[in-house]
Amino acid sequence: GAVVSQHPSRVICKSGTSVKIECRSLDFQATTMFWYRQFPKQSLMLMATSNEGSKATYEQGVEKDKFLINHASLTLSTLTVTSAHPEDSSFYICSASYDRATEAFFGQGTRLTVV
Amino acid sequence: GQNIDQPTEMTATEGAIVQINCTYQTSGFNGLFWYQQHAGEAPTFLSYNVLDGLEEKGRFSSFLSRSKGYSYLLLKELQMKDSASYLCAALDSNYQLIWGAGTKLIIKP
Repeated sequence: GAVVSQHPSRVICKSGTSVKIECRSLDFQATTMFWYRQFPKQSLMLMATSNEGSKATYEQGVEKDKFLINHASLTLSTLTVTSAHPEDSSFYICSASYDRATEAFFGQGTRLTVV
Repeated sequence: GQNIDQPTEMTATEGAIVQINCTYQTSGFNGLFWYQQHAGEAPTFLSYNVLDGLEEKGRFSSFLSRSKGYSYLLLKELQMKDSASYLCAALDSNYQLIWGAGTKLIIKP
């Protein structure tokens, strides 16, 4: 199957700093990438959908100025958590698809801890 | 509104068979996915159904009834490594994935 690489897998940062998470599709062109947040023992919460070359579409309740998403190419999307706070600590997962009606391939996830 | 329902938790015995049900209500429908997720890891794809019927893939099978808005994931010959959460997700008319909360499957020896 297609491979999506997410980096870093774990990151600890100080409160008030910004953290960038990368999501790369290694062997296919991802027209659409999705960013999810997952709290312990809960399902995935879609944060935003990004299409290459256009602005991301954010879900209701997700602060677009806090969670900056850039989808600069067909193989790379980034999520930047700006001015991170301890409540932003979570598991962030990206997924990518090359066709709307196919499975989404998931990255490995990033465990963010803000101290 | 759009909604996916699946049981919160199920328990089964090693070597047995378990069926995890999922019902969905979405604006349009373009298929249903099942994913497996181990604690602390990202989900991995198990199956995709868009037509009615049963799809078998090794020990795992997935069934879909579009008229009933219903799907199930059948796991046979359960192994301890099958202990995980199983996520049901439906693709709506905008090709957005609508996720269920997941079913935590506990396998006992």
